[in-house]
Amino acid sequence: RKEVEQDPGPFNVPEGATVAFNCTYSNSASQSFFWYRQDCRKEPKLLMSVYSSGNEDGRFTAQLNRASQYISLLIRDSKLSDSATYLCAVNRDYKLSFGAGTTVTVRA
Amino acid sequence: GAVVSQHPSWVICKSGTSVKIECRSLDFQATTMFWYRQFPKQSLMLMATSNEGSKATYEQGVEKDKFLINHASLTLSTLTVTSAHPEDSSFYICSATSGSDYNEQFFGPGTRLTVL
Repeated sequence: RKEVEQDPGPFNVPEGATVAFNCTYSNSASQSFFWYRQDCRKEPKLLMSVYSSGNEDGRFTAQLNRASQYISLLIRDSKLSDSATYLCAVNRDYKLSFGAGTTVTVRA
Repeated sequence: GAVVSQHPSWVICKSGTSVKIECRSLDFQATTMFWYRQFPKQSLMLMATSNEGSKATYEQGVEKDKFLINHASLTLSTLTVTSAHPEDSSFYICSATSGSDYNEQFFGPGTRLTVL
């Protein structure tokens, strides 16, 4: 079983829509959690850290559910510029394990 | 701040040659650097962890004699792909941390390697 798994999508949504997707992780000893955004042929860029209490950054909301071992990302009021691949990452012992990414395409 | 550069950004080489990729932290001292590889439509896979002045720690399945890592200073780590073959063609990305917060890794822009 992969350490981090994501629904690859793609999620095709119209501008202004809300889109949400999850990521599951297998190791309960995982210590910290992140969402990254990766554009085609580019490096990943940190979108936000994910905390148990949930956190919000503008139109983006992330949640962590330790009991069920998943994290989620919700994007409200989608913009064309949100089109990208979203990678979840899990930190254990200072090493990051990444999921394969969820592709989101926002259409006009 | 927290800028990481990689050089070259892309390289095409013949099978059997060696390729060196540099990763530099431009505005901070990177006590730890990480090397990842990403094949198309797959996740970033950690290859090795490199601490300044010591030998790199390789992940299971990564050949240390094929992927030579040197972290000679707090701002530079190099990855050399020795005797490259077409199956080594991939996107190689480094990241760095300052050690003050291992949670945050700053990624370089990546190097796209194509082996003919």
